[in-house]
Amino acid sequence: AQKITQTQPGMFVQEKEAVTLDCTYDTSDPSYGLFWYKQPSSGEMIFLIYQGSYDQQNATEGRYSLNFQKARKSANLVISASQLGDSAMYFCAMRGLGGYNKLIFGAGTRLAVHP
Amino acid sequence: GAVVSQHPSRVICKSGTSVKIECRSLDFQATTMFWYRQFPKKSLMLMATSNEGSKATYEQGVEKDKFLINHASLTLSTLTVTSAHPEDSSFYICSARARVSYEQYFGPGTRLTVT
Repeated sequence: AQKITQTQPGMFVQEKEAVTLDCTYDTSDPSYGLFWYKQPSSGEMIFLIYQGSYDQQNATEGRYSLNFQKARKSANLVISASQLGDSAMYFCAMRGLGGYNKLIFGAGTRLAVHP
Repeated sequence: GAVVSQHPSRVICKSGTSVKIECRSLDFQATTMFWYRQFPKKSLMLMATSNEGSKATYEQGVEKDKFLINHASLTLSTLTVTSAHPEDSSFYICSARARVSYEQYFGPGTRLTVT
């Protein structure tokens, strides 16, 4: 079975500061992918970043980076230089790359960026 | 990036009627499509997975006779909510994945309100 846990229901950050959104996971799949999505109030799911379980380096995409600690089974999202437009729900997700190839989501973290 | 469209974006229907939601991949062939349901302030819950030309695989607890899924072509999947009731009111999001890709693209969602 697979499980994604996001323990922060809400986070606040000052504009231009960095923020870390936590995500831990559990899976029996030896090979898997970890994803982060942003969902603004409009409802669309915006793909932010991907980390494969065998990737040696942490993924980065512009202001987003993924702090992947495989032994701890954590995949935290770091947003640097926060902007007001970053205010949204953020979902961590995982998909096994073997037999269980369904993308499942954590509960989400609502991020509010303050000016 | 790849685009997935959903139609309609919003629909209001009366209790007892059926509603069809379309999901299209616009610039790629989606061998697998997924349907999610999202209640307010909650995460996305996977309802079913459909592969082109095959019957959909439903998640535990999802009534297959109530939520009819058809994936007749590589670019179109439909979700029909049959005999809708107010408790079916929700945000329905489809997602599509090409054969060889880790990325999963999401539609903009359909907000269903059953009165």
